[in-house]
Amino acid sequence: EIVLTQSPVTLSLSPGERATLSCRASQGVSSHLAWYQQKPGQAPRFLIYDASNRASGIPARFSGSGSGTDFTLTISDLEPEDFAVYYCQQRSNWPWTFGRGTKVEIK
Amino acid sequence: QVQLQESGPGLVKPSETLSLTCTVSGGSINSYYWNWIRQSAGKGLEWIGRIYSSGSTNYNPSLKSRVTMSVDMSKNQFSLMLISVTAADTAVYYCAKETGGTTGTFDYWGQGTLVTVSS
Repeated sequence: EIVLTQSPVTLSLSPGERATLSCRASQGVSSHLAWYQQKPGQAPRFLIYDASNRASGIPARFSGSGSGTDFTLTISDLEPEDFAVYYCQQRSNWPWTFGRGTKVEIK
Repeated sequence: QVQLQESGPGLVKPSETLSLTCTVSGGSINSYYWNWIRQSAGKGLEWIGRIYSSGSTNYNPSLKSRVTMSVDMSKNQFSLMLISVTAADTAVYYCAKETGGTTGTFDYWGQGTLVTVSS
């Protein structure tokens, strides 16, 4: 199965700063990568599909890029509600797999 | 707005069967794939499998021998059965809808239900 490695594990930033999160796949997944946001006690929230397309209702400060094995989620100008855990997920090969997450915490 | 709600026992004994149901409201279960995903401290988020409204299924090979999913169109529900559970199956179980246009991504999720496997 495809292993997704997310880095860093934790990112400490202040509101208004830019967050850059990485997801690396153990083999190529084309652009078949999604990103989710999860807050404590809540289900994951769908953010990005096919590497760079924002889901409905997702603010423009969230952007995704990459293809093949290396992907990036960028959150420009962090808002207080953006502090959460972010997961990447691939749909290129069965079984679909998730990364272990990057926690974006308030510095 | 589609909403999903998981229901079922929160405590299951080792070697017994875990059974969960997901009720879909705000939309029809017809013509979509419906998924089960679990989250544990040990394994993180793990995709369990999916079922189409017709009853067609796909399962994670790591769980395939123990998983059965079913759908009840009349009740707008779908279900998960996991047999021979162990402590490793303790997790928060989510049901999730697959997006219509992009297979393999999940646009609506239930709130999740914690299932603990313990005697």
